[in-house]
Amino acid sequence: DAKTTQPPSMDCAEGRAANLPCNHSTISGNEYVYWYRQIHSQGPQYIIHGLKNNETNEMASLIITEDRKSSTLILPHATLRDTAVYYCIVRVGNSGNTPLVFGKGTRLSVIA
Amino acid sequence: DAGVIQSPRHEVTEMGQEVTLRCKPISGHDYLFWYRQTMMRGLELLIYFNNNVPIDDSGMPEDRFSAKMPNASFSTLKIQPSEPRDSAVYFCASSLFSGGGTDTQYFGPGTRLTVL
Repeated sequence: DAKTTQPPSMDCAEGRAANLPCNHSTISGNEYVYWYRQIHSQGPQYIIHGLKNNETNEMASLIITEDRKSSTLILPHATLRDTAVYYCIVRVGNSGNTPLVFGKGTRLSVIA
Repeated sequence: DAGVIQSPRHEVTEMGQEVTLRCKPISGHDYLFWYRQTMMRGLELLIYFNNNVPIDDSGMPEDRFSAKMPNASFSTLKIQPSEPRDSAVYFCASSLFSGGGTDTQYFGPGTRLTVL
């Protein structure tokens, strides 16, 4: 079972920041937070991951609370192409490549 | 690199027929995963390999499903005989172990299977 809770859907105006929350209150010390997204009819795509520090890359920023029980994925300037289902996943990261356990994710609709 | 390649992209077959899905992982990757996506169950792991060896096949629905990885550049997922409830999108993904939880899985475009 997925160890995360996400809102089922969100809307965001084009050009504005999209803030997608994720709760993972039972996360363990050796578990990372990963974000993937799935654009319609495509395979999931990696976005970003983190352990406890905030992270930023060319796609997004990941803010993890100090207690690590929740996190927020931030798309700073959402475009129509960011419309997708976003999955927050926690997984152990120090014993080989473990499979991804997907929950239902958040369906983000970017509106013009 | 061309990314993970899957074939066919679409497959329509009749109940009882054998179906073979194919996957070519990214060159150099040592992990290969097969996932299935349906409206009812979402994305779920079927089986995964490390260095061509199956590690966990507990997600394979039943004996009708089998997966092989004869070499580092090719894997197959076979369903025999196929049933309408097998209709789904099947994704293959690959990754390279780098330690410390920093691996990224790269997904193929999927095979949409319809069993009539």
